[in-house]
Amino acid sequence: AQRVTQPEKLLSVFKGAPVELKCNYSYSGSPELFWYVQYSRQRLQLLLRHISRESIKGFTADLNKGETSFHLKKPFAQEEDSAMYYCAHKAAGNKLTFGGGTRVLVKP
Amino acid sequence: EPEVTQTPSHQVTQMGQEVILRCVPISNHLYFYWYRQILGQKVEFLVSFYNNEISEKSEIFDDQFSVERPDGSNFTLKIRSTKLEDSAMYFCASSEFLGQGLYDYTFGSGTRLTVV
Repeated sequence: AQRVTQPEKLLSVFKGAPVELKCNYSYSGSPELFWYVQYSRQRLQLLLRHISRESIKGFTADLNKGETSFHLKKPFAQEEDSAMYYCAHKAAGNKLTFGGGTRVLVKP
Repeated sequence: EPEVTQTPSHQVTQMGQEVILRCVPISNHLYFYWYRQILGQKVEFLVSFYNNEISEKSEIFDDQFSVERPDGSNFTLKIRSTKLEDSAMYFCASSEFLGQGLYDYTFGSGTRLTVV
């Protein structure tokens, strides 16, 4: 079964510090991975997908098939980055399998 | 930017009652989904819907649940006889096929269902 693991429930960093959110997946085929962000009381929004290899709001994520990881990184966290972040995986079929989420708190 | 709209934003119902959660997907999307998130837990897939039928469902989606696209714009989730453990945030999503096996998913803002 597909599984997405986000080991950290909470990450608290100071503004300007680097932040890395870990995500590991279990799937033997070609994965399609996403990071979604949920700001307070708002909808899930797509932040990144691995296929596009782009940087959004300063965030990047690299797929490492050897480690089955898709960690999300930002070199300098901003207060507006405080939110819930969900790693998600789409394998066969169209459904997304989500990790448990990591709450990021950026302190001033 | 097109949005997925969900109503109501919050629904309180008594145990055993039927509830219908409503969603208006993005108009040119062909795939529709329901997910739920029990407080403090992960977002879980319930069901996907394509071409007027269920394409995939999870173990959570038992006989108490049903989905319908009654009029070509709405996509509804019905829970026939609610239980306390159905209390959760329910997210609707829709997706379009971008080609090369890629899909773009858009989520609604959710309906918080509280069963008392």
